[in-house]
Amino acid sequence: GAGVSQSPSNKVTEKGKDVELRCDPISGHTALYWYRQSLGQGLEFLIYFQGNSAPDKSGLPSDRFSAERTGGSVSTLTIQRTQQEDSAVYLCASSAKAANADTQYFGPGTRLTVL
Amino acid sequence: GENVEQHPSTLSVQEGDSAVIKCTYSDSASNYFPWYKQELGKRPQLIIDIRSNVGEKKDQRIAVTLNKTAKHFSLHITETQPEDSAVYFCAASKGGSYIPTFGRGTSLIVHP
Repeated sequence: GAGVSQSPSNKVTEKGKDVELRCDPISGHTALYWYRQSLGQGLEFLIYFQGNSAPDKSGLPSDRFSAERTGGSVSTLTIQRTQQEDSAVYLCASSAKAANADTQYFGPGTRLTVL
Repeated sequence: GENVEQHPSTLSVQEGDSAVIKCTYSDSASNYFPWYKQELGKRPQLIIDIRSNVGEKKDQRIAVTLNKTAKHFSLHITETQPEDSAVYFCAASKGGSYIPTFGRGTSLIVHP
């Protein structure tokens, strides 16, 4: 079946502009996660959703970052007034339920470059 | 919060050799430890995981061992092949927390 998809695959933007990144999780998966991966770095947790609610936003780096999820499916990560340090690969993952030991399936990521 | 350290950051081996990657964690309540493989330009994929009620798990050429007392777990790859070349990430999580903490990754290079 279809895996997690993300769009766009690449995004180049100018400093100060807003960007929206989209994630389509596996159908029926209730949990959705956003991570950021900078060059040569590990996976930095940003936010996770259980259904449409976000119980944990602790990883969002600043108030320029926000995310929403509608219909328990698609999620959008928005970065306002982008800065060069926002350049990274943004990965989305979903799992059947938000539970410990539940496998996360990752999307291909969106590579964001802020000039 | 949980802290996961992963070593080495880079590992270079000859085809056919074994490779071992080690992770340590700080929270003794962590009880689930997955390993992900990320090939260049591709998404991370789960390759093996272990829960704290077992000490070892094997899947063909891949094995993971867990030492709860010392709070470390390791990935073992035997008879390495060039297609094993990738970045490997370990992670740790616990019940009640739905967010795994990832290590910084190990770049494994297998030379033919």
